[in-house]
Amino acid sequence: DGGITQSPKYLFRKEGQNVTLSCEQNLNHDAMYWYRQDPGQGLRLIYYSQIVNDFQKGDIAEGYSVSREKKESFPLTVTSAQKNPTAFYLCASSMTRGMDIQYFGAGTRLSVL
Amino acid sequence: RKEVEQDPGPFNVPEGATVAFNCTYSNSASQSFFWYRQDCRKEPKLLMSVYSSGNEDGRFTAQLNRASQYISLLIRDSKLSDSATYLCVVILYNFNKFYFGSGTKLNVKP
Repeated sequence: DGGITQSPKYLFRKEGQNVTLSCEQNLNHDAMYWYRQDPGQGLRLIYYSQIVNDFQKGDIAEGYSVSREKKESFPLTVTSAQKNPTAFYLCASSMTRGMDIQYFGAGTRLSVL
Repeated sequence: RKEVEQDPGPFNVPEGATVAFNCTYSNSASQSFFWYRQDCRKEPKLLMSVYSSGNEDGRFTAQLNRASQYISLLIRDSKLSDSATYLCVVILYNFNKFYFGSGTKLNVKP
């Protein structure tokens, strides 16, 4: 099955801990994206990558880090510097390096213990 | 001013009703437009593209009004299963930018 796989579905973070959210796609898409969604709110772009080994900050990058070492993988680390990490995190990908239709994974719900 | 604006709703309609919502955009250089549907606690899914000539897919019709800078989504004969949040997306290829609206919530009641 082709698609975007996010794991885990639910994640709990302790104070001061870094956690990493996984995003893998087998669609052979060039671009990948990370969003944060708070309850009842829209999507906010954290980071995006249009090509391997390159990524750009989105609107709310502070407290987050990413890497793009492989085309199919774009993990997001929520660092201890992110003081309010509780949210729904969505990963997306699109076919081309330019702006294009995005397809989303099922998301990861992160909560703070 | 936001790049893309949507009425958050909720729009509460009975089954069988026709409902429409708009998405306004601020940049006249916007080139591509899409509607996504997001069910509660799920990921957004592409519903349909919006073409200059309009686009119809079953009970759903999407239209673009470049002069007034908005796109619209019309749903005819609403079903309970249409209850969701509808997000619009605007793409500016020349500026390598895209913008998601915050969504309009639709509740279809029996």
